[in-house]
Amino acid sequence: QVQLQQWGAGLLKPSDTLSLTCVVYGGPFSGYYWGWIRQPPGKGLEWIGEINHSGSTNYNPSLKSRVTISIDMSKNQFSLKLTSVTAADTAIYYCASSRGFSSSWYYRFDYWGQGSLVTVSS
Amino acid sequence: DIQMTQSPSSLSASVGDRVTITCQASQDISNYLNWYQQKPGKAPKLLIYDASNLDTGVPSRFSGSGSGTDFTFTISSLQPEDIATYYCQQFGDLVPYTFGQGTKLDIK
Repeated sequence: QVQLQQWGAGLLKPSDTLSLTCVVYGGPFSGYYWGWIRQPPGKGLEWIGEINHSGSTNYNPSLKSRVTISIDMSKNQFSLKLTSVTAADTAIYYCASSRGFSSSWYYRFDYWGQGSLVTVSS
Repeated sequence: DIQMTQSPSSLSASVGDRVTITCQASQDISNYLNWYQQKPGKAPKLLIYDASNLDTGVPSRFSGSGSGTDFTFTISSLQPEDIATYYCQQFGDLVPYTFGQGTKLDIK
């Protein structure tokens, strides 16, 4: 059973860099794309980006200039950095699997972390 | 980006009712659509993938249909534990993946 556990700083000041990490337990780490999704309090879901085992990334164009997703295959971990945060980046951030491969690629957010509330406030 | 228009934004129904939520894509996405359930304080949970396939362990009262631009999510007989917010999500253009605005469902 695949499980994701995430952690990172929960309170940031404007212009800080958001940093979150997610570790994957119990599954084939290399057979998936791994990504991040965020949800402002009381609002809907926004996809941030994804990465695969070879480090190939895709980002949401709305955030691309500020986002970096990286991966550490030796630790079954992947990380999110978002620079120059503002109050608009206050949200719950989720890590999740975004693609898997069976006989072909499939696209769905199967596995989710527990979520991390990140608040940006001066 | 492909925009997803989900309706209604909120819905009240009685236990045992049939509940329907719709999602419309801004362009043809074939059957590249998933549905999620999110309960308060929890991560979303995948219910339906590829428009009409029930994920493992999901009760059969949940179903999905549609292709192209118009999709429907149905709960055939509403149960108290179905109270949640439901989201559609497309991957027709691959990235960026986008979600509908959500439908908040509660008991009348």
